[in-house]
Amino acid sequence: GQQVMQIPQYQHVQEGEDFTTYCNSSTTLSNIQWYKQRPGGHPVFLIQLVKSGEVKKQKRLTFQFGEAKKNSSLHITATQTTDVGTYFCAGRNAGGTSYGKLTFGQGTILTVHP
Amino acid sequence: DVKVTQSSRYLVKRTGEKVFLECVQDMDHENMFWYRQDPGLGLRLIYFSYDVKMKEKGDIPEGYSVSREKKERFSLILESASTNQTSMYLCASSPNTRTGFRNTIYFGEGSWLTVV
Repeated sequence: GQQVMQIPQYQHVQEGEDFTTYCNSSTTLSNIQWYKQRPGGHPVFLIQLVKSGEVKKQKRLTFQFGEAKKNSSLHITATQTTDVGTYFCAGRNAGGTSYGKLTFGQGTILTVHP
Repeated sequence: DVKVTQSSRYLVKRTGEKVFLECVQDMDHENMFWYRQDPGLGLRLIYFSYDVKMKEKGDIPEGYSVSREKKERFSLILESASTNQTSMYLCASSPNTRTGFRNTIYFGEGSWLTVV
């Protein structure tokens, strides 16, 4: 079945440093979504990428979808303590059912030291 | 705002007990999901439902069953709880993608289940 691998599993940074997490799918995706889970909270939707090579920005966050639609990345510039949490990618298989089933990566736990 | 409500935030159950986790969403979404979250394993799909009385197995359905008698409610059932089912359980809902709406998944707050 479809697998979505996410690396790294953990990332510790000093406040102000940049951070990147990478997501790779074993199959071609129709779209990919990113979620953030604050400590003790539940995952919250950040963004969806649909087009090959798509790049979207949200303030200090930059999301990319690969040309082959099998990988994606999230880059945070100049991290802040409010960025702490677990970041998940979630991909939907191209050609699969349209019922909304997503496969999540394992998540990257980001710690930011002030 | 979409609200997905899980009935219990924290539960402690004994091995062999039957456990019900209830979830209600208020946005008339067609799709509902149950995930479990474990450290290092991310979110794994247990079951999902795309319509009332319809259900599909996810990636890890063993030891679980579900019920969807009404559109807004999706229940997860552990017929005989075991210690390896200690985890956080997340309910979620989303609109049907075939209608063209944005198919974001909205999560509940989670239910922490400990089986002793």
